Amino acid sequence: AQTVTQSQPEMSVQEAETVTLSCTYDTSESDYYLFWYKQPPSRQMILVIRQEAYKQQNATENRFSVNFQKAAKSFSLKISDSQLGDAAMYFCAYRSARSVNNDMRFGAGTRLTVKP
Amino acid sequence: GAGVSQSPRYKVAKRGQDVALRCDPISGHVSLFWYQQALGQGPEFLTYFQNEAQLDKSGLPSDRFFAERPEGSVSTLKIQRTQQEDSAVYLCASSLAGGWGQETQYFGPGTRLLVL
Repeated sequence: AQTVTQSQPEMSVQEAETVTLSCTYDTSESDYYLFWYKQPPSRQMILVIRQEAYKQQNATENRFSVNFQKAAKSFSLKISDSQLGDAAMYFCAYRSARSVNNDMRFGAGTRLTVKP
Repeated sequence: GAGVSQSPRYKVAKRGQDVALRCDPISGHVSLFWYQQALGQGPEFLTYFQNEAQLDKSGLPSDRFFAERPEGSVSTLKIQRTQQEDSAVYLCASSLAGGWGQETQYFGPGTRLLVL
């Protein structure tokens, strides 16, 4: 079974600085998708960024980018120019590319604090 | 509607009571997912619908949990004879098509269930 591990329960960053959140996963599959979700205190989860495993190029979305290391099964999220609104729980998630597997596997999350 | 809505937002139940949690997905979304999020943890998959068909219920923790989506839109998650270990946030998500692969899941705000 696939598992997702986020080893940093909490992280903190100064406003305007850069922070990297770690995620590792375990799978025997070669084709899959990886996601980072943000969950602000209001609890509505929002997709931040996603990566297809077959793509070597790291995904970027404005200030958010990932470092995808397929061989190491690592998928870290970098937030540049951190803003107060980035404070939230961040979840890394894995989903198989096989259509029979619809569930997403989430890590335990990292709580990000942004200091003004 | 503009997003996924869930009701009630908070529910307190006495142990042994039955509860029903409602999810209104984004209009026109084919797929609907239920997740359970325990305190301090990431969401865990419960069940998945494609239109009115429940295609995967492998994550339901016991036969006390039952979900339905009779007309392919609104879904209800029912928990019978609630136990304290059922206390969690129950998240609903919907997606436009089959819900697999890289397709974005849109999450609701969740229902926080507390069983006393």
